[in-house]
Amino acid sequence: DTGVSQDPRHKITKRGQNVTFRCDPISEHNRLYWYRQTLGQGPEFLTYFQNEAQLEKSRLLSDRFSAERPKGSFSTLEIQRTEQGDSAMYLCASSPPWRVGTDTQYFGPGTRLTVL
Amino acid sequence: KNQVEQSPQSLIILEGKNCTLQCNYTVSPFSNLRWYKQDTGRGPVSLTIMTFSENTKSNGRYTATLDADTKQSSLHITASQLSDSASYICVVSSPNQAGTALIFGKGTTLSVSS
Repeated sequence: DTGVSQDPRHKITKRGQNVTFRCDPISEHNRLYWYRQTLGQGPEFLTYFQNEAQLEKSRLLSDRFSAERPKGSFSTLEIQRTEQGDSAMYLCASSPPWRVGTDTQYFGPGTRLTVL
Repeated sequence: KNQVEQSPQSLIILEGKNCTLQCNYTVSPFSNLRWYKQDTGRGPVSLTIMTFSENTKSNGRYTATLDADTKQSSLHITASQLSDSASYICVVSSPNQAGTALIFGKGTTLSVSS
């Protein structure tokens, strides 16, 4: 158990519906990341928060995707008007304040999204 | 273009045998390199992290090496166990204006059979 939790673990939705995922990072980790992973591929970076500020967004994050971290603790990832291509595992990771040589991210179990 | 290439794509070995997974990268600038183990349906778990000045690091039966000159890393698993069956992902960290970018390899799928 790495300490990062994600909810739900599985989500099945119909094309066109909106979905929202939640990530609770390890306590006192000020950095939070969202990734998407499709079958047989490594995780792809989506977005990065430092405290409540969204500092980086991948070009993979289309305007149908939005992420928030309003109080610098938990984060939500919302996908609007889901498409079948959105089917993937959505991973959240957190890491403590940066120090040389200790920049390790701790991953949650992921939310598996299936869009029918 | 920053890339991380892993080989082989998949590997099957007998329990108790050793194996070595490879990672080549073209990431610059370089901050550190990590190896993760990802069980099916789970999030990745960190095995090792190495900075530019580190050549080798061990974590139990896992030993990672790094050659920053040739931009190659390897993960050696000794005396494999059935529980080692998983995907092993190489990740290179690169600093940028926003902080740190992580470039992931596609992973090597290891199957350990009895």
